[in-house]
Parts: sequence; C-alpha cells; structure tokens
Amino acid sequence: DADVTQTPRNRITKTGKRIMLECSQTKGHDRMYWYRQDPGLGLRLIYYSFDVKDINKGEISDGYSVSRQAQAKFSLSLESAIPNQTALYFCATSAQGFTDTQYFGPGTRLTVL
Amino acid sequence: SQQGEEDPQALSIQEGENATMNCSYKTSINNLQWYRQNSGRGLVHLILIRSNEREKHSGRLRVTLDTSKKSSSLLITASRAADTASYFCATSAGYSTLTFGKGTMLLVSP
Repeated sequence: DADVTQTPRNRITKTGKRIMLECSQTKGHDRMYWYRQDPGLGLRLIYYSFDVKDINKGEISDGYSVSRQAQAKFSLSLESAIPNQTALYFCATSAQGFTDTQYFGPGTRLTVL
Repeated sequence: SQQGEEDPQALSIQEGENATMNCSYKTSINNLQWYRQNSGRGLVHLILIRSNEREKHSGRLRVTLDTSKKSSSLLITASRAADTASYFCATSAGYSTLTFGKGTMLLVSP
C-alpha cells in the first residue's frame, strides 16, 4: 500500500462549490504539506503543519484552508472554488523540517468549471 | 518566489546517452534536493546534497553542488526510456520552506 494517499484522485466541480481534498499517511511523520502544481510553474506551497496543533500558511494560502485531524491526516478545503484553482494538488510528508526528504502522494487533479 | 531554476526546460536524448540538468539558485542554502516526476504523478525523491558536500552519487545519478556559483547539476548516465520524466531541484535555506524550481522535462527515446 502507498505510504501517502490522496482522495479523490480526480475531481470536477463548479465555481462557488466547497470541496475538500484529503491526505492520509502511514509513514508516521509529523510534518505534512499541501502543494499545488500548475503547468510551467513548478510546485507552490499552500499550507504546512509540523504537528497536530501547528498550522502554517505557505506561499499561496488565499482561498484555501486546512485541517490536521490527526498525525496521519491533513485535509485541504476550498471554501468557494474558482476556475483559477484548477490545478494538480499534492500532499507530502517529511520526518524532519524543510531540510528533509519529502514523500509525495499521487496527487489530486482538480478542475473548477 | 522560486528559488531554484532548472536549465534546460526540456531535453531530448537517445537511450544510452547521458543527460545533464542544471539548477541555479539565489541565496545560501542548507541543502539541495532533486526529485523526479513521471507525467501527472507525485514527485519522487532522488538525492539530497548538503551545502558542505561537492558531489554525491546514487546508482546512475551524479549530483554536484557549487555553492560559490550557487548552482547544481544532475547527471543521469546511460539513460533509459524509463528515465523519461520531469526533474525538479528543490532548495531549503535557513528556516524557510522547501522551494521547487519549474523543472526540466527529459525525453529519452529508444
């Protein structure tokens, strides 16, 4: 089984809808991250969490919120989706902080119409 | 803002040839990592080189780091069709977040 899983893998939604992307990990890592990837722009950090009680904004947090329900679970929500949030979303984990190797989930392809 | 910048943006070679990708960055770093991404999939960590290291090997991969030039290179020797993917460098500096470049798309033709 994969160490980092994401659900759903694909999602098509309409402008204004609230959606949640979920991430679960079995690696036992405290650190978890949400990124989005747009063609030609690489990965950009949305939010990160260093433990269950710690949530931090990343480079592009506007329009997003997160919830760290447990060490193993980190959810990303779009309260009111808009078309420019169409992207590939990745969850990642690491054992240590930013200097450590990150382990990525398979991604969620989100389309907002 | 993007810290790392890969070059070239795209690279096309034949199986058996070597592939070299470069990464330049702007500020002092703790370490530099290289990741691979197969089309539309999650990134996979390849290798990490610390700021006090100059060269590191892992199988067919060779990474160099020149902190005076703020640059790194990834060499894949004897490329295979399965090496076709996008390759990203990522840097960490101080207590800041890991920052990814825009990637190099490598195509290895049989």
